[in-house]
Amino acid sequence: EIVMTQSPATLSVSPGERATLSCRASQSVSNNLAWYQQTPGQAPRLLIYGASTRAPGIPARFSGGGSGTEFTLTISSLQSEDFAVYYCQQYNNWPLFTFGPGTKVDV
Amino acid sequence: QLQLQESGPGLVKPSETLSLTCTVSGGSINSGTYYWGWIRQTPGKGLEWIGSIYYTGRTYYSPSLKSRVTMSMDTSKNHFSLKLNSVTAADTAVFYCARLATNYFDSWGQGTLVTVSS
Repeated sequence: EIVMTQSPATLSVSPGERATLSCRASQSVSNNLAWYQQTPGQAPRLLIYGASTRAPGIPARFSGGGSGTEFTLTISSLQSEDFAVYYCQQYNNWPLFTFGPGTKVDV
Repeated sequence: QLQLQESGPGLVKPSETLSLTCTVSGGSINSGTYYWGWIRQTPGKGLEWIGSIYYTGRTYYSPSLKSRVTMSMDTSKNHFSLKLNSVTAADTAVFYCARLATNYFDSWGQGTLVTVSS
């Protein structure tokens, strides 16, 4: 099983600041990685797939990077609606999928 | 617009079978373009993929749950289902159904909390 880890567990930032979240895979997943955003009481929402491709309707302030085992999600200028938990998910081991434990972005 | 809605009992007794249905509107589950999946979320284990099903009925299950999981679909009702047997308190979770664009989950239901308790 490919194990995903994320750091930090919690990231405290102010509105307007830049946030960089990390995701690491226990073995290479190439660029087969997605990112999701989850706000309280809501289902996760797809942000990024293919490590760097934004899903339809996702603002340009969200960007993804990395390949292999190291990935980042960057939010260039945090808006109030961006305070949420972010998860990465690998799909290199299709049809078996695993998620990271999440990074909470708060004020 | 695609919508997914989970339904089923919110309380299940230990050792019994958890049964949930996901009704899809705004799109057909009979399309070969997508797979359909179940994911659960617990405070302790986060998001956990349970399994996926294709319109042909082909299923894929998490190795850790495979012995207890059955997924099926009813294309005439445009819904797919999950059964998890021999449940324990550790199976208490919010269960989500989602559309799987082969590799990633691009549309999710709102989720339903299932509590395992006597």
